[in-house]
Amino acid sequence: DIQMTQSPASLSASLEEIVTITCKASQGIDDYLSWYQQKPGKSPQLLIYDATSLADGVPSRFSGSRSGTQYSLKISRPQVDDSGIYYCLQSYSTPYTFGAGTKLELK
Amino acid sequence: EVQLVESGGGLVQPGRSMKLSCAASGFTFSDYYMAWVRQAPKKGLEWVASISYEGSSTYYGDSVKGRFTISRDNAKSTLYLQMNSLRSEDTATYYCARHRYLSFFDYWGQGVMVTVSS
Repeated sequence: DIQMTQSPASLSASLEEIVTITCKASQGIDDYLSWYQQKPGKSPQLLIYDATSLADGVPSRFSGSRSGTQYSLKISRPQVDDSGIYYCLQSYSTPYTFGAGTKLELK
Repeated sequence: EVQLVESGGGLVQPGRSMKLSCAASGFTFSDYYMAWVRQAPKKGLEWVASISYEGSSTYYGDSVKGRFTISRDNAKSTLYLQMNSLRSEDTATYYCARHRYLSFFDYWGQGVMVTVSS
């Protein structure tokens, strides 16, 4: 099974910062990587797919990138509404696996 | 507007069965892979199962393989998850999701809670 090591587990950031969340795959996943945001009591929402493509309706302050087998989600100048838990997902091979999640708090 | 509405959850005893349904609308259901993803209380997301357009191919996570069955009725635009031999560790919110290109989940339902307890 492919393991997705997501970091950090939590972070607190100001509205002026650039927030970066990473997921490292245990092997190559050919950019079959997506990112999701989940707010308390709500279902997850797609942010990024195919590692770098922005989902419909998602603000351009969200972006995705890759370096080797490490994938990153960047939020430039986050808004208070961006608080929540973020997950990565590899869909290169079954079983499809999510990262453990990153809890983001904006201050 | 794409809508996915799950139903059929509740409290069930260990070892018993339960069947979840997901009614889809706002898109041509038979054109898309579909999936179930679950989330145990206060835990992360876990992919459960996926199914191809016509239902001829199915895929399962290791923890549910042999116990759960995913199926679909394209005439009714409905996705199902038959869960047998339920265990306490199956307690979770179950989400129905559209599984685009068998890659990413682009739409999710609101989720249905399943509690396995005596």
